[in-house]
Amino acid sequence: DQQVKQNSPSLSVQEGRISILNCDYTNSMFDYFLWYKKYPAEGPTFLISISSIKDKNEDGRFTVFLNKSAKHLSLHIVPSQPGDSAVYFCAATNYGQNFVFGPGTRLSVLP
Amino acid sequence: GEEVAQTPKHLVRGEGQKAKLYCAPIKGHSYVFWYQQVLKNEFKFLISFQNENVFDETGMPKERFSAKCLPNSPCSLEIQATKLEDSAVYFCASSPTRTSGNEQFFGPGTRLTVL
Repeated sequence: DQQVKQNSPSLSVQEGRISILNCDYTNSMFDYFLWYKKYPAEGPTFLISISSIKDKNEDGRFTVFLNKSAKHLSLHIVPSQPGDSAVYFCAATNYGQNFVFGPGTRLSVLP
Repeated sequence: GEEVAQTPKHLVRGEGQKAKLYCAPIKGHSYVFWYQQVLKNEFKFLISFQNENVFDETGMPKERFSAKCLPNSPCSLEIQATKLEDSAVYFCASSPTRTSGNEQFFGPGTRLTVL
C-alpha cells in the first residue's frame, strides 16, 4: 500500500523546456513534502520542500506546487538542463517522523 | 565531517551470515536515519535516532535487524542471519533537527548482496 506514488517511471524533455514531475499521496496527516534528486551510485540530494500550509514554493529553476484537496504535488523545472537528468524522488513526512518516499521518476533532458 | 560517510561501500554475505553497516553522520547533526532501497525501488524507512536514542523505529523489521548510535562512534545497522531478500542498498542520512521540512543529508549507501 504505497502512501506516496509517482506514476510516471520516466520522463524525457528537450533542453530548455519545462519538466513537470508529479507525485500523489494518500495520507492526509503528512505535513511536509520534499523532492530529492539522485544520480547513479550516489545518495539522494535535497532539492526543495513545501509545507502543507502552502501551495507553492520556488527556488531558482525549481518550483513545487501542492494541491492538498487533490493530494497532489508537482515539481517544475524550467528551463531544463542536461545536468538535471537524474531520478527524482518525492517524499513526505508526518511531523518529522515516518518519512515515506515515492518510487521515483527518471528524468532525461535531451540536448 | 561535512558529508555523511558510509562503510563499507559493498558487502557480500552468504545467506545466514551477519552483516554490519556503518554510518558517520555530519558533525553536529543530531538525527540519523536508515533507509533500505531494494532494486532501485522506493526507499523504505527503517529507523531514526536522536543522538544515541531511538526516535522512530516503526519501519524496523522486528527480527534480525538492530541498530545503534553510540557516543563517539559511527552508527551501525546490523542484520543477523541475512536472507536473500535483505539484498539492497542501505542509505544513512543525517539532519540537524527533526523539523519536518529540514533536509536530510544522505550518504552514498552500502550495497549489500546476500548470496
